[in-house]
Amino acid sequence: AQSVTQLDSQVPVFEEAPVELRCNYSSSVSVYLFWYVQYPNQGLQLLLKYLSGSTLVKGINGFEAEFNKSQTSFHLRKPSVHISDTAEYFCAVSTNTGNQFYFGTGTSLTVIP
Amino acid sequence: DAGITQSPRHKVTETGTPVTLRCHQTENHRYMYWYRQDPGHGLRLIHYSYGVKDTDKGEVSDGYSVSRSKTEDFLLTLESATSSQTSVYFCAISEYRNNEQFFGPGTRLTVL
Repeated sequence: AQSVTQLDSQVPVFEEAPVELRCNYSSSVSVYLFWYVQYPNQGLQLLLKYLSGSTLVKGINGFEAEFNKSQTSFHLRKPSVHISDTAEYFCAVSTNTGNQFYFGTGTSLTVIP
Repeated sequence: DAGITQSPRHKVTETGTPVTLRCHQTENHRYMYWYRQDPGHGLRLIHYSYGVKDTDKGEVSDGYSVSRSKTEDFLLTLESATSSQTSVYFCAISEYRNNEQFFGPGTRLTVL
């Protein structure tokens, strides 16, 4: 079975500062990786995904993530956050041998004015 | 936005009553999923479907059943609701196995 670990449950950061949200996974097979964002009282929206190819993936709203196979990580970064980035962020993994997504427990990002 | 609706959006019910949640899509996607979201647990898969009448269990399927008689509809049933099933339920759809999932707006269920 796969598992996803988001090490930080809450991350406070000042406006215009950089941020990194960490995600590690465990899998013995090839993986596909995703980051989703959830704004209050809404469903999840895809930020970016890694299926194959370049390990640096760019997504919406200025976010990017880097797939590191040796460290089994897929950390999400943004060089300068805005108040509107305050939300819950979920990392997810799937594999080419299964039918399921596995989600991390989420990281609550709070941007402080 | 992907065409996914969930109904009802909010429901309060009593322990022991049956509850059915509906997910409707207009995208003609093959795969449909039901998740529950609870604080500290993220999203956990309840059941999923890979075609009409084809369903399988997820991580937390006990106490839940599903049905998919049409491509566009995926129903989640709690045969006898319990307080532990108080949660926010999300439906998701996907065109391809293991690729991007699109999520509905969620249903907040409270079991008293």
